[in-house]
This record gives sequence, structure tokens and C-alpha cells, in this order.
Amino acid sequence: NAGVTQTPKFRILKIGQSMTLQCTQDMNHNYMYWYRQDPGMGLKLIYYSVGAGITDKGEVPNGYNVSRSTTEDFPLRLELAAPSQTSVYFCASTQTQNTGELFFGEGSRLTVL
Amino acid sequence: GENVEQHPSTLSVQEGDSAVIKCTYSDSASNYFPWYKQELGKRPQLIIDIRSNVGEKKDQRIAVTLNKTAKHFSLHITETQPEDSAVYFCAASGRGTSYGKLTFGQGTILTVHP
Repeated sequence: NAGVTQTPKFRILKIGQSMTLQCTQDMNHNYMYWYRQDPGMGLKLIYYSVGAGITDKGEVPNGYNVSRSTTEDFPLRLELAAPSQTSVYFCASTQTQNTGELFFGEGSRLTVL
Repeated sequence: GENVEQHPSTLSVQEGDSAVIKCTYSDSASNYFPWYKQELGKRPQLIIDIRSNVGEKKDQRIAVTLNKTAKHFSLHITETQPEDSAVYFCAASGRGTSYGKLTFGQGTILTVHP
């Protein structure tokens, strides 16, 4: 199993550009999450999904959108990128609601200039 | 919403010493408290977790204690080794929500000197 795979690993965007961070998992996990980690800070939840077709906002959803058309994929869309979105983005998954361990991807480092 | 405070922000110890990191949380309904270790440039990895019906949990050199009344929990690492050097994050998840919906602390940079 590859686990949770994120692409791209690095990206530089200009202000106002848009992009999609890809996340896929091969563990058949129902629950998937997007977190962002700013320098020297903890992770903050952007969006999450409890299954295909179901998504919900986390703590910091503004400026982002998600979709969940399949169990495996959970892409994060950034519209009109702003410098405040410069961060490392982590996708994660768990099997059930009460499964403790989050399986994280390797992260995507995004810089908006 | 939930708020998690973590202290200290940096911790430096000698190899073989113990390290303690403390967190407080604000929502008394929170019922799941994991600790994640993140090495430089790597993804966070779960090292230990505790649920609200348990006061203490131990796994080899790592232990976590929970005081629900005071709303704080702590990570204890004994006999520290250089490979324990990393950033450690505490987190909390509320009752009735997915355990993956976590509110994280700000992190503690632990440095273990040989």
C-alpha cells in the first residue's frame, strides 16, 4: 500500500492564480481531511469528508474548496491564491469515526508570491 | 470551538533525562487526546493517544496522563535519546465528532543533546 499520496510536493503560485492539490489514498478509508501547517505552528483543519459525496468545513475553510467523488480521492482547490495561503498542506485519512490514528501524506509546500 | 494550549514551545534536555510537555484544552466535551511527532520536513506521526475514560497510558518510554477536571494532559518521555529530537504536537477531538477532526497545540521543539 502506498498510503496517502499528495501531489505536487512543491509549488509556487502568483497572487490570484488557482490550483488543485491532489490527495489519494489506497487504504479504503472513509474519512479524509485537509490540514494546513504554517511555520512554527500546529495544524489547522481546512475541510474534511466522511465519505464519497459528503464534505464539511473545518476551522479555516475560507479560500478553499473540496470535492469527494470517490472514496480514494479528496482534492483541495485554491481559488485566487493569496500570500496568506503560503503554507504546508497535509492530507490525512482514517478508517472510521472512532479510529484514532491519522495517516498523513508527505505534505505539499505552497508558496504564494 | 476548542482551543489547545501547549507548553513549553522549546525544550532542551540531555540524553537520558526525562522530558515533559503539557497541554490544556478548553472544551470539556473533548474526549480524545493524541500526541504526534514530526521530524524536520516529514509528516506528523502518532506516537500515543488517550481517551477520556482513561487517566494514564504508557508505551515503553512514552506515557500520557489526562486530568479531565483540570482539562489538561501531558506527554512524558523517559530516558530520552537523540532520535527523540523532533517537534511534538498535542491535539484534542470533541465528543460526537470524528476523531480525525483535531485541534492542535502550537508544538514543542524537543532537542536531546548527546
